[in-house]
Amino acid sequence: AQSVTQLDSQVPVFEEAPVELRCNYSSSVSVYLFWYVQYPNQGLQLLLKYLSGSTLVKGINGFEAEFNKSQTSFHLRKPSVHISDTAEYFCAVSGNNFNKFYFGSGTKLNVKP
Amino acid sequence: SQTIHQWPATLVQPVGSPLSLECTVEGTSNPNLYWYRQAAGRGLQLLFYSVGIGQISSEVPQNLSASRPQDRQFILSSKKLLLSDSGFYLCAWSMDRAYEQYFGPGTRLTVT
Repeated sequence: AQSVTQLDSQVPVFEEAPVELRCNYSSSVSVYLFWYVQYPNQGLQLLLKYLSGSTLVKGINGFEAEFNKSQTSFHLRKPSVHISDTAEYFCAVSGNNFNKFYFGSGTKLNVKP
Repeated sequence: SQTIHQWPATLVQPVGSPLSLECTVEGTSNPNLYWYRQAAGRGLQLLFYSVGIGQISSEVPQNLSASRPQDRQFILSSKKLLLSDSGFYLCAWSMDRAYEQYFGPGTRLTVT
């Protein structure tokens, strides 16, 4: 079975500071990893995805994530955050059964001026 | 381009009343369709998914059911709502054996 752990439920950060949102997964098979962002009362928007190839993945809005197989992690990073990045971020994993995604519990990023 | 619609956007229903939430996808054919529930302060729970018309897989035993009467239509229903059914319901789609899922705007359900 696959599962995703987002250890930080909330991350406060000041504007223009760097941020890292942590994601760890457990899986016995090859995985595909995703980060989504959710603004209040909206659906989820895909930020980036790792399917294969380079372990450093770049996404929209200046975000990037690095796949680390040995540590079973897929942490999301941004070198300088903006107020508009305030949202909830979800890490997700899928495996050989492409029909199913498993989501973490989410991390609320609060960017302060 | 593909778009996904959900309605209604918000809904307040009394305990014991029926429920019908609708999701439709435009601009693609034979998508995989999904219903998720997001309870306050929690992640997304997969409720149902469908790989074709009339094909529904249930992930969690519960008070809800799903149907897919047309290729791009996915309906979430309940005969009698419980207080615990309150939450934010999200519909999503993906292409068969593709990788990412695309989400609709969601329906906020409050059961009183």
